[in-house]
Amino acid sequence: AQSVTQLGSHVSVSEGALVLLRCNYSSSVPPYLFWYVQYPNQGLQLLLKYTSAATLVKGINGFEAEFKKSETSFHLTKPSAHMSDAAEYFCAVSEGVTGGGNKLTFGTGTQLKVEL
Amino acid sequence: NAGVMQNPRHLVRRRGQEARLRCSPMKGHSHVYWYRQLPEEGLKFMVYLQKENIIDESGMPKERFSAEFPKEGPSILRIQQVVRGDSAAYFCASSPSGQFYEQYFGPGTRLTVT
Repeated sequence: AQSVTQLGSHVSVSEGALVLLRCNYSSSVPPYLFWYVQYPNQGLQLLLKYTSAATLVKGINGFEAEFKKSETSFHLTKPSAHMSDAAEYFCAVSEGVTGGGNKLTFGTGTQLKVEL
Repeated sequence: NAGVMQNPRHLVRRRGQEARLRCSPMKGHSHVYWYRQLPEEGLKFMVYLQKENIIDESGMPKERFSAEFPKEGPSILRIQQVVRGDSAAYFCASSPSGQFYEQYFGPGTRLTVT
């Protein structure tokens, strides 16, 4: 079974500083990887996805992630944090389902705090 | 194009009552997934449905939980005889096909069992 590990349940950065949220995955097949963001009391919004094309993936709101097979990692970065980035971020790996479909296995999430 | 809709957004039930959670997928989407988010945890897969078919229910508790996605109407997640441990946020996601890896999430239903 596939799994995702997010190191650091809470990350705090200053506004304007680099954001780095870590994600490592375990998969026996080439993975499809995702980063989602969740604002308080809301659903999940897709930030970006890796589906075996370019290893550097650009997403919305200035976020990007790099797929590194040798390190089984898919870390999320943003060069300059903004107050509006404060939210919870989830890394997820897609696992194929017999009969089609792709259920997601999520990490436990990283709460990002942005300070003035 | 309206997004995934879930209702109710908040649901309070006493122990032993039934909870019905509804999910209307995005227009043109025929694949629905349900996930549960317990406090301080990530989302856990529960069930994957296509129209009139349950494809994968490996994440569903074996008792009291059921799901359906009829030919017409929303997908329903039903929890019978709720217990306090069922208190969680339940999210529905949809996709246009099984081979489309991106899932679009609804705002969730927050169930509180008193």
